[in-house]
Amino acid sequence: GENVEQHPSTLSVQEGDSAVIKCTYSDSASNYFPWYKQELGKRPQLIIDIRSNVGEKKDQRIAVTLNKTAKHFSLHITETQPEDSAVYFCAASIRGSARQLTFGSGTQLTVLP
Amino acid sequence: GAGVSQTPSNKVTEKGKYVELRCDPISGHTALYWYRQSLGQGPEFLIYFQGTGAADDSGLPNDRFFAVRPEGSVSTLKIQRTERGDSAVYLCASSFRDRASTDTQYFGPGTRLTVL
Repeated sequence: GENVEQHPSTLSVQEGDSAVIKCTYSDSASNYFPWYKQELGKRPQLIIDIRSNVGEKKDQRIAVTLNKTAKHFSLHITETQPEDSAVYFCAASIRGSARQLTFGSGTQLTVLP
Repeated sequence: GAGVSQTPSNKVTEKGKYVELRCDPISGHTALYWYRQSLGQGPEFLIYFQGTGAADDSGLPNDRFFAVRPEGSVSTLKIQRTERGDSAVYLCASSFRDRASTDTQYFGPGTRLTVL
């Protein structure tokens, strides 16, 4: 089955700096890659996703890049703010299957004021 | 409209007891998923429903776990003879499955199960 590795497990940045979280996946058939933000005790919330037919997608301060050849995808947050502090999860799934999401182990992002 | 809801928000039970966890998906969403999230980990897939039927139950850890969705809306996850290792947050997600594309999964707030 699919395996998703996520790094780093913790990340601290100064407010205003950029943050990058990286994930790799094992199954070349995976074609959908969402990112979820989870605040303590809250539900995971989708912040951005990318499909395998594009290499990059941007939404304001958040961008995701995908390298299908290397089976890497990354989340980029620019101009970080304290409210960006949370756990971020990457995930992968395969179109045409049951579309279950396989999640990475998460990155605890702390934005220091 | 309303998001995915789950009840109860917290459930404390004793080892060996039976528990039921309920999920109300977003209205009109045909696909429903159950995941389990242990402390410090990402959610792990348990079971997926398309309509009333379980399309994939490969993530259920053993036969103590069972889930139903009799009318294609509300789902109940049932755990028999609970064990301390079952303690986790149980998350439900739903999506409006379009056969032509992969659809966003919207998560509920979860049920925190503690087995003493």
